[in-house]
Amino acid sequence: QVQLQESGPGLVKPSQTLALTCTVSGDSISSSGYFWSWVRQPAGKGLEWIGRIYFSGAATYNPSLKSRVAISVDTTKNQFSLTLSSVTAADTALYYCAREEYQGGNWFDPWGQGTAVIVSS
Amino acid sequence: QSVLTQPPSASGTPGQRVTISCSGNSSNIGSNAVSWYRQLPGTAPKLILYNNGQRPSGVPDRFSGSKSGTSASLAISGLQSEDEADYYCAAWDDSLLGPWVFGGGTRLTVL
Repeated sequence: QVQLQESGPGLVKPSQTLALTCTVSGDSISSSGYFWSWVRQPAGKGLEWIGRIYFSGAATYNPSLKSRVAISVDTTKNQFSLTLSSVTAADTALYYCAREEYQGGNWFDPWGQGTAVIVSS
Repeated sequence: QSVLTQPPSASGTPGQRVTISCSGNSSNIGSNAVSWYRQLPGTAPKLILYNNGQRPSGVPDRFSGSKSGTSASLAISGLQSEDEADYYCAAWDDSLLGPWVFGGGTRLTVL
């Protein structure tokens, strides 16, 4: 059974860079047919897709965040990572990693438990 | 403001059937499959429907979905108290808004 676990600092200062890692267990991140995504959720609000990466390293980002986001993959550690630069209070949210499966259509399953990030000085 | 439109709230009594709508456009729902997620309080979203109406293993057949044109809907029959949660729809978007867009979420209350 595939499981995902987010990790990283829970507090980031404004203008600095947020860095999170998602560790995948129960399956290889190099398996074909899957993308690996980041999704965030501000408190009391809805879900926002941040971006995704394929094991080859090819990444796609949300156009609204593209200038500040980078997603990378480390197949040797079965991990993928998110960096978000120049953060502001608006980036305070729960950050989830998720596996995106593609079989005709696309969907997210499973999700990590999420990690809270607060942007504050 | 979310690209996909959902009603902010819905409610029903135990045993009842409720439906939640999700409205989009030709770039997302109109040309791509819809998936639905359930988020219980304090937990991560969980997939309950994919490809418009297919259920992952373990999801009871009380949950069903459909799509017509640029709208989709989630139906829950035999409503139970544990169904009280937030429900989100999602779809791939072929426009510059994409690739992925979500609905704003619907909070389902079991009265």
